Amino acid sequence: AQRVTQPEKLLSVFKGAPVELKCNYSYSGSPELFWYVQYSRQRLQLLLRHISRESIKGFTADLNKGETSFHLKKPFAQEEDSAMYYCALSGDSSASKIIFGSGTRLSIRP
Amino acid sequence: DAGVIQSPRHEVTEMGQEVTLRCKPISGHNSLFWYRQTMMRGLELLIYFNNNVPIDDSGMPEDRFSAKMPNASFSTLKIQPSEPRDSAVYFCASSHGLHYEQYFGPGTRLTVT
Repeated sequence: AQRVTQPEKLLSVFKGAPVELKCNYSYSGSPELFWYVQYSRQRLQLLLRHISRESIKGFTADLNKGETSFHLKKPFAQEEDSAMYYCALSGDSSASKIIFGSGTRLSIRP
Repeated sequence: DAGVIQSPRHEVTEMGQEVTLRCKPISGHNSLFWYRQTMMRGLELLIYFNNNVPIDDSGMPEDRFSAKMPNASFSTLKIQPSEPRDSAVYFCASSHGLHYEQYFGPGTRLTVT
């Protein structure tokens, strides 16, 4: 069964410090992984997807199939990064829906 | 395109009343999703449709919840009767397919007193 686990409900770091939002998944095939972000008073939106292999707003995420993880990282946190972050997984079938984790609220302290 | 449109944006109702939430997906998208977001449980998928057909409603918490998609441009989520524990933000999202990036609406904040 597909499952996405975000172990931290809340993560608080100082501005300028490194950030790592953890995401672990359970899936027997070849999943596609996503990170979605919801800034205050804004819509939930896609931040990045693992197949793009790109850095968005300084964030990167590498799919580690051995550890079944897709942690989101940024070397230097900025105050505008404060938001709710959701990790999501889609299976390798065209009929697979996206499953979301429970989310991590990132708070950047000045 | 205005994106996914949801109405109302806020709803306050009394326990026992019927609540209807509405969603207009992005034109051309054939998959539609209803989610509920709470502090305690995060984002929960309630039900989703593909080509207007309900595919999986296993996330619907109880029989008090029902959803319809009469055509490609409109969906409703109904709660009857509503209870205080239904208070949450309800999101609608649409996509080109089940597997693709989802575009979320602004949400409806429901408060049941």
